[in-house]
Amino acid sequence: EPEVTQTPSHQVTQMGQEVILRCVPISNHLYFYWYRQILGQKVEFLVSFYNNEISEKSEIFDDQFSVERPDGSNFTLKIRSTKLEDSAMYFCASKTTGDTQYFGPGTRLTVL
Amino acid sequence: GQNIDQPTEMTATEGAIVQINCTYQTSGFNGLFWYQQHAGEAPTFLSYNVLDGLEEKGRFSSFLSRSKGYSYLLLKELQMKDSASYLCAVIWGGGKSTFGDGTTLTVKP
Repeated sequence: EPEVTQTPSHQVTQMGQEVILRCVPISNHLYFYWYRQILGQKVEFLVSFYNNEISEKSEIFDDQFSVERPDGSNFTLKIRSTKLEDSAMYFCASKTTGDTQYFGPGTRLTVL
Repeated sequence: GQNIDQPTEMTATEGAIVQINCTYQTSGFNGLFWYQQHAGEAPTFLSYNVLDGLEEKGRFSSFLSRSKGYSYLLLKELQMKDSASYLCAVIWGGGKSTFGDGTTLTVKP
């Protein structure tokens, strides 16, 4: 069964560094999402992406964040200058025109 | 605001039925999702309600009442593997969503 994949599974970085989190959505999916979940807290929506542009973004998704679909398979989240409070699990999700979003396994980002 | 409220924890017995409630103070959303999340793992889709009423999927059912600002997830014939967090979330047209804090369900033998 097709799956959303994410790399790396765990990323450790120094405060102020740039990180790129990578996702490969399911191949025929058209809608893409990034979420984050700080340890012990709720899942938070970051951004939705369709037709090569952002559809919606949350208040969290400020100028430090950007998303890109550089080719037909990858969907990336870049954090330009990481802060301690960016430490969280980042989930990518994708879907077709239906309702069900399929989540990837997540990337645990630790900012030191 | 867009508060979504769920009980923090629930405990139930294997083989029993449990109902997890979700109340919200928002409107104009497209639909309401229920997800299951095991510790350290990604959420997995359980159900999606657009219209008021009950949606049934095997052991899991979900109900939505927009007029009452209320949804519930019903789990029947509980199994030990159902021990997990259950997340309620509303979604709007552009894909933006708001999640509740989740309800941690513990199933005991």
